[in-house]
Amino acid sequence: NAGVMQNPRHLVRRRGQEARLRCSPMKGHSHVYWYRQLPEEGLKFMVYLQKENIIDESGMPKERFSAEFPKEGPSILRIQQVVRGDSAAYFCASSPKVGSIEETQYFGPGTRLLVL
Amino acid sequence: AQSVTQLDSHVSVSEGTPVLLRCNYSSSYSPSLFWYVQHPNKGLQLLLKYTSAATLVKGINGFEAEFKKSETSFHLTKPSAHMSDAAEYFCVVRNDYKLSFGAGTTVTVRA
Repeated sequence: NAGVMQNPRHLVRRRGQEARLRCSPMKGHSHVYWYRQLPEEGLKFMVYLQKENIIDESGMPKERFSAEFPKEGPSILRIQQVVRGDSAAYFCASSPKVGSIEETQYFGPGTRLLVL
Repeated sequence: AQSVTQLDSHVSVSEGTPVLLRCNYSSSYSPSLFWYVQHPNKGLQLLLKYTSAATLVKGINGFEAEFKKSETSFHLTKPSAHMSDAAEYFCVVRNDYKLSFGAGTTVTVRA
């Protein structure tokens, strides 16, 4: 059973370009979470999605950032018109369900975005 | 909302000696607590989790943690450090479906 997959692992963009980060959850997992890790900090929650639904995007900046999890294909985190402050590691996690005391989020290897 | 505080930003130990990483939590009810490890430029790996069962939780790679409600603590320990334990460790509490991470503790292991 493959783990959570993220690609690309490293992404370099110039200011003003768009960044697209992809996440394929573990097989059988229908819940996806995105977290951002700024340098020297812990991870911060950004958004929680189920198939075709955004459940909670309270941690995501209101402008330039969007996320989707279509019926088919991976979840996408999209950052438009990137700025240097967007440079960070972006981690995706998945879980099989929520509301269970046993629920665990499994993390992918992350995408490290560098904005020049 | 529940939160965690990692009391040490950096811990240095000699190989073969015990490791102690301290974490205090703030919660109005019984929390779900986790320890994750992150090796350089890698993803996060779950070490162990506490979900209101046994207060002493055993994890992978010889790590364990003890949930102490009276002290609101969830410290991570390992009896004998190995060079491969050098990494960043995060104490994490779950708020519904959101994970809240501590600031992290960097562990270095001296030969």
